[in-house]
Amino acid sequence: KQEVTQIPAALSVPEGENLVLNCSFTDSAIYNLQWFRQDPGKGLTSLLLIQSSQREQTSGRLNASLDKSSGRSTLYIAASQPGDSATYLCAVEQAGTALIFGKGTTLSVSS
Amino acid sequence: KAGVTQTPRYLIKTRGQQVTLSCSPISGHRSVSWYQQTPGQGLQFLFEYFSETQRNKGNFPGRFSGRQFSNSRSEMNVSTLELGDSALYLCASSVGTGGAFSNSPLHFGNGTRLTVT
Repeated sequence: KQEVTQIPAALSVPEGENLVLNCSFTDSAIYNLQWFRQDPGKGLTSLLLIQSSQREQTSGRLNASLDKSSGRSTLYIAASQPGDSATYLCAVEQAGTALIFGKGTTLSVSS
Repeated sequence: KAGVTQTPRYLIKTRGQQVTLSCSPISGHRSVSWYQQTPGQGLQFLFEYFSETQRNKGNFPGRFSGRQFSNSRSEMNVSTLELGDSALYLCASSVGTGGAFSNSPLHFGNGTRLTVT
């Protein structure tokens, strides 16, 4: 059974710092891995999708990497801003099921 | 382009009642999936529909059901509500059905907050 883990559960950083969020999964037979952002009381916003054949994806200040063999993904946020404060979730898609989510990392960026 | 719309935004029900939640996907999206989010369990998959057919189902009791209409709009129903059903219910839509060559991320609505008293 696939399990997705995100560490740390919460993170506080000062504005301008570069940071890395971690995601690990137990079954490497995945179709893709997706990173989402969730603001309080809102739905999820898709940030990046990495197909299983890819190693990384970039969007603006965000870079996500995928190492399928070791069951790990990282989300790198450059030059963090207070507006980046949110909960970040990773999820994997595999055959026979929809997305399986981790429980997220809650990020707080102080000005 | 309008996003995924979920109605109602908030709902308060009592134990034993039933409830129906609605989801209108982004225009052109044929796949709709439903998730339950609670502080303890996080996001858990309920079911997924594509072209009116249920493709996948999560590990929830039969009290949870859903359907998709020909215009891709979807509803989910929970019968005989329990206190533990209190949660944020999220609907998501995508262009395709996912899979190994999918490059279609999910687009989520803002959810329906259900409180069971």
